[in-house]
Amino acid sequence: KNQVEQSPQSLIILEGKNCTLQCNYTVSPFSNLRWYKQDTGRGPVSLTIMTFSENTKSNGRYTATLDADTKQSSLHITASQLSDSASYICVVSAGTSGTYKYIFGTGTRLKVLA
Amino acid sequence: GAVVSQHPSRVICKSGTSVKIECRSLDFQATTMFWYRQFPKQSLMLMATSNEGSKATYEQGVEKDKFLINHASLTLSTLTVTSAHPEDSSFYICSARGTAYGYTFGSGTRLTVV
Repeated sequence: KNQVEQSPQSLIILEGKNCTLQCNYTVSPFSNLRWYKQDTGRGPVSLTIMTFSENTKSNGRYTATLDADTKQSSLHITASQLSDSASYICVVSAGTSGTYKYIFGTGTRLKVLA
Repeated sequence: GAVVSQHPSRVICKSGTSVKIECRSLDFQATTMFWYRQFPKQSLMLMATSNEGSKATYEQGVEKDKFLINHASLTLSTLTVTSAHPEDSSFYICSARGTAYGYTFGSGTRLTVV
């Protein structure tokens, strides 16, 4: 069964601190993995997209890693800011050309405190 | 970058009425549109997938006669919630897939049925 699990479910950190969010998946055939940031009441915004051959990808203070062997991904946020407070969703795309399917994780709710 | 415009952002309607939500891809042609709903603190749930010019494919448990999807052009898809009831109150989000840009989400529509 295709599944994406994220941890922790929620996280509270102080402004300026770093944090790491985890995503484990059992998806086949794997196509790519995306991390999205979703502010409350808004649509998700893409942070990174990683294919099978990519191990690390950065987008500003966000760095995503992918271990295709263990089927794990992480999103590391450096020097957190209050605006980082949001839900972070891991989405794995499964399938081959023309038959893609999105499998969503349940998200990690991050709250950054001043 | 690819932009998907979703309207309205918020709508309140009376029980029994219908509501139409629009999603437009502004700078690319969306060959496929996805419609999701999201309940508070939960992940996005795929409702249906539509390809331009053809009937939408609905996920199991989603009533196609209640949630009418029209994808008449490569830049516009609409979701109409017919005979809305309070339990249809939710956050609805579209996602568009273009050949060059991958997937882009709309900003979402908060539907409240009173």
